Parts: sequence; structure tokens; C-alpha cells
Amino acid sequence: DAMVIQNPRYQVTQFGKPVTLSCSQTLNHNVMYWYQQKSSQAPKLLFHYYDKDFNNEADTPDNFQSRRPNTSFCFLDIRSPGLGDAAMYLCATSRPPGGYWDEQFFGPGTRLTVL
Amino acid sequence: SQQGEEDPQALSIQEGENATMNCSYKTSINNLQWYRQNSGRGLVHLILIRSNEREKHSGRLRVTLDTSKKSSSLLITASRAADTASYFCATDEIQGAQKLVFGQGTRLTINP
Repeated sequence: DAMVIQNPRYQVTQFGKPVTLSCSQTLNHNVMYWYQQKSSQAPKLLFHYYDKDFNNEADTPDNFQSRRPNTSFCFLDIRSPGLGDAAMYLCATSRPPGGYWDEQFFGPGTRLTVL
Repeated sequence: SQQGEEDPQALSIQEGENATMNCSYKTSINNLQWYRQNSGRGLVHLILIRSNEREKHSGRLRVTLDTSKKSSSLLITASRAADTASYFCATDEIQGAQKLVFGQGTRLTINP
């Protein structure tokens, strides 16, 4: 089945130790998103790629970076995780032409713990 | 960022009853979507309603949209224990930087 896969599902890192979260999709969608979701809060968009074009949200900290080497894969790099970065990180995809803010397909998320 | 507001924040009902959740937003939109999130999981798209639509049905789900009031409601009929989840509305704003903005969500508990 076509889907969005995130690895790992659970990630534990130490304060200040770089960590990379990965997302892959078999949907062949043009757009990939990374959201941060803290407990009992709404998902917050960090950035998205439309094909190779990177779009960063104005309030996304510089500590967060992303790479999209090809259509299928997208990575979230947290260069120096702080305690406040502990959250669920959600990857999602969508495909125009309905408008690339139409239905999004989410992965199961990666729960990041920072010790 | 301008987020939708959802009401109530939490709702607990008995299995078989209907559940109604409301969402309000602040700016003009192209469409409004509802998503479900089971605990510790990703979001699952439920239904999309466009700004020129007033009502939409999908199985036991009924969504209404009132653009004059900038509000939407999600009705789940004949609720089941498996409907227990958080429900989020999401809007795309026509003006400014377009992005999908999620409300804070309604945490729905269906008691058997």
C-alpha cells in the first residue's frame, strides 16, 4: 500500500547531540512537510518542500534543518536538541493540482525524547 | 499564526450517541479539512469541504461550513469506541502565506 513511513518511531537523544529523523513516501507526491506537535497541541508546520524548493516557516528555529535528496525521502535534522524540542515530529505529503494545501497524508510520527 | 479554535476542548459521551465538534477560524479560506489523530499516531484525513460548499457527508460523518460566521462543525453519528481520538480542523488561508493551519483539537472519548 502507498504510504508515508517515518523512522524511527521513537528516538532518544541527549541534550545537544545532533539527531536526524527520516521520512519516506511511496505516493510520489510533490510536496513533503515536517510538523512539530507537542503534547495536547496542534501540529505546527516547520517547513515544506515543493519538489526541490524549500520553504521555511518564519518562526522555525535555525536549529532545525531539512534535506530532500529525492522525491521519496525527506530528512529533519536537529543540530543541537534542547529539552524544548522534545515532541512528536510528523511528516506529511500532498500532491497538486488540487492546491498543495489540500488533503495531506501523514506518517505515524517520530516521538523525540531529549535527555 | 492564526489558528482555528475548536470547541469543546474535550468531549466524553456514551457509545451510540452523536458527537458534535465545532471549529472557528479567522480569515478567508479555500477549504477546511478535518483530521483524526489516535493517541501517539499520525493524523488521518477525514473530510474536506470547500468554501463554496455548505455541507458534506462521508459515512457517519457530517461536516457543515458557514463562511459568513467563519465556522464549521463535525458531527459523528452513532459513535463507537473506535472513534475515541483527537479531532483537528485545518484551514488554508487565502491571504498571506498559504499554509495549512490546525486548530487545537477536540479530544473525544467514547465510553462503552
